[in-house]
Amino acid sequence: EIVMTQSPVTLSVSPGERATLSCRASQSVTNNLAWYQHKPGQTPRLLIYDASIRATGIPARFSGSGSGTEFTLTISSLQSEDFAVYYCQHYNNWPLLTFGGGTTVEIK
Amino acid sequence: QITLEESGPRLVTPTQTVTLTCTFSGFSLTTSGVGVGWIRQPPGKALELLALVYWNGYKHFSPSLNNRLSITKDTSRNQVVLTVTDMDPVDTAIYYCAHILYSGSGRHCFHYWGQGTLVTVSS
Repeated sequence: EIVMTQSPVTLSVSPGERATLSCRASQSVTNNLAWYQHKPGQTPRLLIYDASIRATGIPARFSGSGSGTEFTLTISSLQSEDFAVYYCQHYNNWPLLTFGGGTTVEIK
Repeated sequence: QITLEESGPRLVTPTQTVTLTCTFSGFSLTTSGVGVGWIRQPPGKALELLALVYWNGYKHFSPSLNNRLSITKDTSRNQVVLTVTDMDPVDTAIYYCAHILYSGSGRHCFHYWGQGTLVTVSS
């Protein structure tokens, strides 16, 4: 099983600042990586797939990068609605899909 | 508009079997490439894929729970049913169902999710 490790566990950021979230895979997943956003009381939302492609309707302030074992989700200028938990998920060896433990982005 | 909704018992006793139903709209499990997955999240822990079922009948189960899971689809009712046997307190979690594609843009990602249902296992 490929283990996905996210860091930091909690990220404190002021509105308008940049947030950088990391996801590391225990072995290469090439670019087969997705990011999700989950806000309390809402359903999880797909943000990024194939490591860097924004899903339909996702604002341009969200960007993904990386390949192999190291990935980054960047939120260029945090808006109030962006405070949430973010998860990465690999799909390199479908159907054995695994998620990271999540990063909580909170208001500083 | 695609929506999914989970339903099932909120409280089960240890060793019981739990049956969870995912009722969806906005897509069909007869459409090539479409699938539904069940994912759970125990309190304070990571998301875990439990099972997948696809339009062509293909099924996948988590290797760690393989012998305790079953999944069926009812295309006429737009439902996917997950059964978990021999429930234990460690199975306490929010259980989600989600839409997934086998091919094309965003394949193998969960594009739409239900709100989830909390299942507590306790005597």
